[in-house]
Amino acid sequence: KAGVTQTPRYLIKTRGQQVTLSCSPISGHRSVSWYQQTPGQGLQFLFEYFSETQRNKGNFPGRFSGRQFSNSRSEMNVSTLELGDSALYLCASSLAGTGGEVYTFGSGTRLTVV
Amino acid sequence: SQQGEEDPQALSIQEGENATMNCSYKTSINNLQWYRQNSGRGLVHLILIRSNEREKHSGRLRVTLDTSKKSSSLLITASRAADTASYFCATDASGNTPLVFGKGTRLSVIA
Repeated sequence: KAGVTQTPRYLIKTRGQQVTLSCSPISGHRSVSWYQQTPGQGLQFLFEYFSETQRNKGNFPGRFSGRQFSNSRSEMNVSTLELGDSALYLCASSLAGTGGEVYTFGSGTRLTVV
Repeated sequence: SQQGEEDPQALSIQEGENATMNCSYKTSINNLQWYRQNSGRGLVHLILIRSNEREKHSGRLRVTLDTSKKSSSLLITASRAADTASYFCATDASGNTPLVFGKGTRLSVIA
């Protein structure tokens, strides 16, 4: 079966712009989680969506938002981009997002803010 | 906030040697997982160990969990150059809490 698909793979944006990243989970997976990965901070949890509802949220400013559609596809949006938002953004899907489930990750979107 | 913390941050070994990575965490967990990431790519699941288990094996991988010390170790035996990657531990607590990752150990296996 198809894996987790993230688009685009690479993005270059200018400070102050906004960006939307997309994630298509594995068929049948209803939970989608987003992570930001930077060399200094490692993987930091952004938010998790289940059945179109944000169920968990990490410690990120309101400029970071997301949503999930009825087909479980998810998007995340970052507004008013800052240089520090440059990172690899990873999404992961799982069946229900409950404890003990294996996450399947996409290849990530590499965002560079200049 | 970061739950797991891997040690060492970086490890370099010769092909054929064993590699051991450690993970310590701060609060009670239900499960602990190890993932691998090749340079700049997504993470791949390696093994999951539940809080009531002490040891699990999968091929050349051996994971131990000591809940009294809040620590886990990942052993890769007879390492290969293809094992070169970053390795992360991740923990979850009760309910629908998210999977929280450490900062990872960067393993280099030299042929």
